[in-house]
Amino acid sequence: GAGVSQSPSNKVTEKGKDVELRCDPISGHTALYWYRQSLGQGLEFLIYFQGNSAPDKSGLPSDRFSAERTGGSVSTLTIQRTQQEDSAVYLCASSLGGGTGNTIYFGEGSWLTVV
Amino acid sequence: GQNIDQPTEMTATEGAIVQINCTYQTSGFNGLFWYQQHAGEAPTFLSYNVLDGLEEKGRFSSFLSRSKGYSYLLLKELQMKDSASYLCAVDSGYALNFGKGTSLLVTP
Repeated sequence: GAGVSQSPSNKVTEKGKDVELRCDPISGHTALYWYRQSLGQGLEFLIYFQGNSAPDKSGLPSDRFSAERTGGSVSTLTIQRTQQEDSAVYLCASSLGGGTGNTIYFGEGSWLTVV
Repeated sequence: GQNIDQPTEMTATEGAIVQINCTYQTSGFNGLFWYQQHAGEAPTFLSYNVLDGLEEKGRFSSFLSRSKGYSYLLLKELQMKDSASYLCAVDSGYALNFGKGTSLLVTP
């Protein structure tokens, strides 16, 4: 597709369950990012992938969070043993390259609610 | 560390001009972005500044002063559809670091 595609759009899960969120970046974009946005808060950086380089995981809030990117394209963000504080919108973004000045384009987000 | 500050909320009248300020203190700086985010939607790109000065794009302009760690977004001829959150983001070399956003309400 033309834009960044994320699924599911909405996910309600029970506390303690694992969830997987998927992101399909814009075709040809080598850089991929995951951000989290809680209600009324700014965007919180989680993880960054650039080409075949090791990902920058410095923003992941705990070891319950992990992400992978297969074949340099689709990415999956996994949250294990979800907690209520994990409820947020998880936004995926991509850019043409990972260097300076590359505009990043966001998907519509996956709205996660942990009950 | 990263510190990016914006006002939380602003209100302005349809047809008026509004300036949204952003100050930053970051460990690296390679440019500054402004994004617009309507409620329940993804952020969309508005502008990018890497050199000092004013960049104009239609009704929207963005200014940068690197020495002062300061930027502003200027919106002219405000329209009701401009009611949204405006996010200032610093490019530190790879990922963007975002401020908490300024919620702008345009009133009739």
